[in-house]
Amino acid sequence: DVKVTQSSRYLVKRTGEKVFLECVQDMDHENMFWYRQDPGLGLRLIYFSYDVKMKEKGDIPEGYSVSREKKERFSLILESASTNQTSMYLCASSFPGVDTQYFGPGTRLTVL
Amino acid sequence: AQRVTQPEKLLSVFKGAPVELKCNYSYSGSPELFWYVQYSRQRLQLLLRHISRESIKGFTADLNKGETSFHLKKPFAQEEDSAMYYCALSGNGGYQKVTFGTGTKLQVIP
Repeated sequence: DVKVTQSSRYLVKRTGEKVFLECVQDMDHENMFWYRQDPGLGLRLIYFSYDVKMKEKGDIPEGYSVSREKKERFSLILESASTNQTSMYLCASSFPGVDTQYFGPGTRLTVL
Repeated sequence: AQRVTQPEKLLSVFKGAPVELKCNYSYSGSPELFWYVQYSRQRLQLLLRHISRESIKGFTADLNKGETSFHLKKPFAQEEDSAMYYCALSGNGGYQKVTFGTGTKLQVIP
C-alpha cells in the first residue's frame, strides 16, 4: 500500500519566516509533486520532480522553491512566507509517465 | 494549453437519485482523463481513469472526444458518495503535467 506522508498536518507561521514542508513516499516513485488546494480554485501545481535533483516549475511557482536530494523525499520551501500563501498544501507521487498520483494527507499552513 | 472545467461548485441530490458530475476539457492531443475524490477528513484518491473503463463504487465515466467531456455518472446516489470530486487531465507520452479542475462538491441528501 502506497504511503505518502507529510511532516505536519497544521502549521502556523509569521510573515517573512522561511517555511519547510516535507514529503516522504515509500513506493520508490520517480515522480513527486507539490500542489496547493484552495476553495474554488481546485488543485494548482507548484513544482514537480521526476528524478533526484531534478525539478520543474508548475503553474504557480512564484514564492516557492523545492529540493529533492533523495528519491523518497521532496521538500517545498517558502523563502519568505506571505499571507497569500495561507493554504492547504498537498504532496503526491507517482511512477513515471501518465500514472495514478498518490496523495499525502495535506498540510494546512496559516501565515499570520 | 490544457484546461479542465467543472461548471458546478456544488451538486445536491437526493439519495437514490441519479448523479452526473460534469467535466469538460481542452487539450490539443489525445488526453488521459481521471476522476479523483476526497471524502471528508481523508486524502485525495483516484476514483477512476478512462483507460481502465471500469466502474468504481457504481460510478462510470465515458470519454466523449467530440464534446470534449468526461462526465462522472452514477445511477443511484448513496449518502456515502458525499465528497469533493475533481476531474483531471494529462497529456499522453512521456512525462505530462496533470491539470485538475476546480472541483465539485457532491451532497447527497438522505
